Amino acid sequence: DAGITQSPRYKITETGRQVTLMCHQTWSHSYMFWYRQDLGHGLRLIYYSAAADITDKGEVPDGYVVSRSKTENFPLTLESATRSQTSVYFCASSEQGSPHGANVLTFGAGSRLTVL
Amino acid sequence: LAKTTQPISMDSYEGQEVNITCSHNNIATNDYITWYQQFPSQGPRFIIQGYKTKVTNEVASLFIPADRKSSTLSLPRVSLSDTAVYYCLVGPSGSARQLTFGSGTQLTVLP
Repeated sequence: DAGITQSPRYKITETGRQVTLMCHQTWSHSYMFWYRQDLGHGLRLIYYSAAADITDKGEVPDGYVVSRSKTENFPLTLESATRSQTSVYFCASSEQGSPHGANVLTFGAGSRLTVL
Repeated sequence: LAKTTQPISMDSYEGQEVNITCSHNNIATNDYITWYQQFPSQGPRFIIQGYKTKVTNEVASLFIPADRKSSTLSLPRVSLSDTAVYYCLVGPSGSARQLTFGSGTQLTVLP
């Protein structure tokens, strides 16, 4: 099916382990984003990408690494997971040339990560 | 980037019209105003976008005064299924850099 998919949907890991959350979109959208959502904080931007091989930090990038070698994929890696990174992670994409412009994002279903 | 301010929560009853206002005092000339809706355990989804005056679609209306320093999302005759968090975003349509959502407004529709 076309759309934006995240995997895994649920993940439990331990402190210090490396975790990668995957995001794949089928629209060839230029922009892709990673947000985390915690109670009381709304959605906070971790990283975003304007195109393949172009990434930039958001509000809360510490402890995360991203890459974008292909337009359709935007993986998020926690190199050494900490308990404070327990959260729900949302990936999103948008396209500058779409009818409503680049700031209309389409979100994935989210990945719930628990770090023990 | 324009900072937005919304009420933290609002309650309404089924069948009523609900208006949620967002303040964005430092909105830039090329910024658009976009509203999202988020249900529990789901990602936000786009509701409506506007630049000035009034925009209406099948879901909601968006009212933007001439000075564009605020905007009001209007939901006609809400139902229980409209209970969600509503976010206001401000930014240029030609660039999606650093789109920040803030904490949004939790709308609770009561029977």
